[in-house]
Amino acid sequence: KAGVTQTPRYLIKTRGQQVTLSCSPISGHRSVSWYQQTPGQGLQFLFEYFSETQRNKGNFPGRFSGRQFSNSRSEMNVSTLELGDSALYLCASSPGLADRRSYEQYFGPGTRLTVT
Amino acid sequence: GQQVMQIPQYQHVQEGEDFTTYCNSSTTLSNIQWYKQRPGGHPVFLIQLVKSGEVKKQKRLTFQFGEAKKNSSLHITATQTTDVGTYFCAGGDSWGKLQFGAGTQVVVTP
Repeated sequence: KAGVTQTPRYLIKTRGQQVTLSCSPISGHRSVSWYQQTPGQGLQFLFEYFSETQRNKGNFPGRFSGRQFSNSRSEMNVSTLELGDSALYLCASSPGLADRRSYEQYFGPGTRLTVT
Repeated sequence: GQQVMQIPQYQHVQEGEDFTTYCNSSTTLSNIQWYKQRPGGHPVFLIQLVKSGEVKKQKRLTFQFGEAKKNSSLHITATQTTDVGTYFCAGGDSWGKLQFGAGTQVVVTP
């Protein structure tokens, strides 16, 4: 099976702009989660989508949003970019079911976002 | 809210030595997962523990879940250079949400 893919791999944006990141999960996986990784804060959970619905949410401002499509592909959007948004954004898919259990996460290579 | 802490933050190990990294949660967990991230790579799932007091082994790695389901440990014996990387624990709550620890960065000297 192909792994989780993320596009683009690298992105440079200017403060105030908005950005959309894309994630394609492993075939058959219905759950997609997004994480922000920075050297100082580690892996911070943004949100999880399951069957096109946001199932869990982390403590990020409303500028961070996401969605999931019927084919389980997911996008994450960050509006009004700030310098502090520079980070590696990781997408992870899991063979999650409708039950509320945490399943193993299969991470993609990430999108390295730099905000100048 | 739930907080997951890992210690130590950094671990320098001589090749062949053993070491242990610890994970502590402020709340009772439904399960604990461990991941390894090599430098420049992405986190890779290692194992999940669900039962109180559970112990699982993967070759030289031994994972343990505490009796109270609030702490966990990863013990590596006879460290090799291939063990270099950052090891994360992630605690799962009853809603299926995962909280990652800050990770233990392991450096191995030959």
